Amino acid sequence: AQRVTQPEKLLSVFKGAPVELKCNYSYSGSPELFWYVQYSRQRLQLLLRHISRESIKGFTADLNKGETSFHLKKPFAQEEDSAMYYCALKTSGSRLTFGEGTQLTVNP
Amino acid sequence: DAGVTQSPTHLIKTRGQHVTLRCSPISGHKSVSWYQQVLGQGPQFIFQYYEKEERGRGNFPDRFSARQFPNYSSELNVNALLLGDSALYLCASSLSGGYEPQHFGDGTRLSIL
Repeated sequence: AQRVTQPEKLLSVFKGAPVELKCNYSYSGSPELFWYVQYSRQRLQLLLRHISRESIKGFTADLNKGETSFHLKKPFAQEEDSAMYYCALKTSGSRLTFGEGTQLTVNP
Repeated sequence: DAGVTQSPTHLIKTRGQHVTLRCSPISGHKSVSWYQQVLGQGPQFIFQYYEKEERGRGNFPDRFSARQFPNYSSELNVNALLLGDSALYLCASSLSGGYEPQHFGDGTRLSIL
């Protein structure tokens, strides 16, 4: 069965510091992975997806099939990056399996 | 673009009652998915509908059912409510339910007393 693990429920960094949010998955098929973000009082929104290989708001994520990981990284965190981040794995159709989320706090 | 809209925003029910939650997808989107998000956890897949047909079902009891209408809006029904059904119910829409991104609504907060 598919599973997504985000080992850190809470992550706190200072402004300007690098940040890495970890995500590991288990899936027997070819994975498609996403990062979703939820800012305070806003709806869940797509941050990035691995197949597009783009950088959004300075964030990047590389799919490592050998380590079954899809960690989210940003070299210099900003206060506006404070939010809840969810890693998600798409299997059949539109079915998304989400991790439990990491609450990122960027301190001034 | 109005985005995905869900109603009601909040709902309070008692155990044993029935509830209907509604979702209107983004204009042009034909696929709707439902998720349950219990406090402190990530969203969990319940159903996906595309062109009024059920495309997928998560690990939820038969008390949960859904349908999609010709205008692509959708309803999620939950019978015989339990305390454990208290959660945020999210609706997401996408163009065809394939590999394009899903867009989420604000959710309906359901509280069971």
